[in-house]
Amino acid sequence: EADIYQTPRYLVIGTGKKITLECSQTMGHDKMYWYQQDPGMELHLIHYSYGVNSTEKGDLSSESTVSRIRTEHFPLTLESARPSHTSQYLCASSELTGVGGYTFGSGTRLTVV
Amino acid sequence: AQRVTQPEKLLSVFKGAPVELKCNYSYSGSPELFWYVQYSRQRLQLLLRHISRESIKGFTADLNKGETSFHLKKPFAQEEDSAMYYCALSGYSSASKIIFGSGTRLSIRP
Repeated sequence: EADIYQTPRYLVIGTGKKITLECSQTMGHDKMYWYQQDPGMELHLIHYSYGVNSTEKGDLSSESTVSRIRTEHFPLTLESARPSHTSQYLCASSELTGVGGYTFGSGTRLTVV
Repeated sequence: AQRVTQPEKLLSVFKGAPVELKCNYSYSGSPELFWYVQYSRQRLQLLLRHISRESIKGFTADLNKGETSFHLKKPFAQEEDSAMYYCALSGYSSASKIIFGSGTRLSIRP
């Protein structure tokens, strides 16, 4: 079944560690996105991609980086995690125009201690 | 400026009462409008799109271009409707991104 998958679901990590949040989709979508969301709060776009080798920064400044080497894969990396990075990270994908709506993953809840 | 405004952070109604979640937008053009819902411990999911003109789980939304509004309505609230609701819009070009409102938490009291 076509879907979008995020791993890990929960992550607790120490300050200064490098982490990569995984996101893969089997929707056949061109565009992919990363949002940061504190529980029940606004969604903040931090990165997006139109397709392979395309990455753009979103509306919210973030110390994370992304890559898009394969259409279906859009990992997010934090080189040195800090407590201020504690949040929920949502991955989404859509067709190129986006008017079909976004499909969201289940999210990764990150806690940096 | 392109913007989606949800004026209510929290809306609490009794079971069986009508529900209206407000959404206003500003956009230079004719956007596609959406409502997304996030139930407790579940992923954010699309509830309905204006272009589909569907009624999902008893919810409907009417686009009022004059008032630039896309309010979400349900005539009789159910306890399982308690969730976070986000209004959103998108342009039709490939460069467009969905713009989300800040969300309204709907709480249905028994």
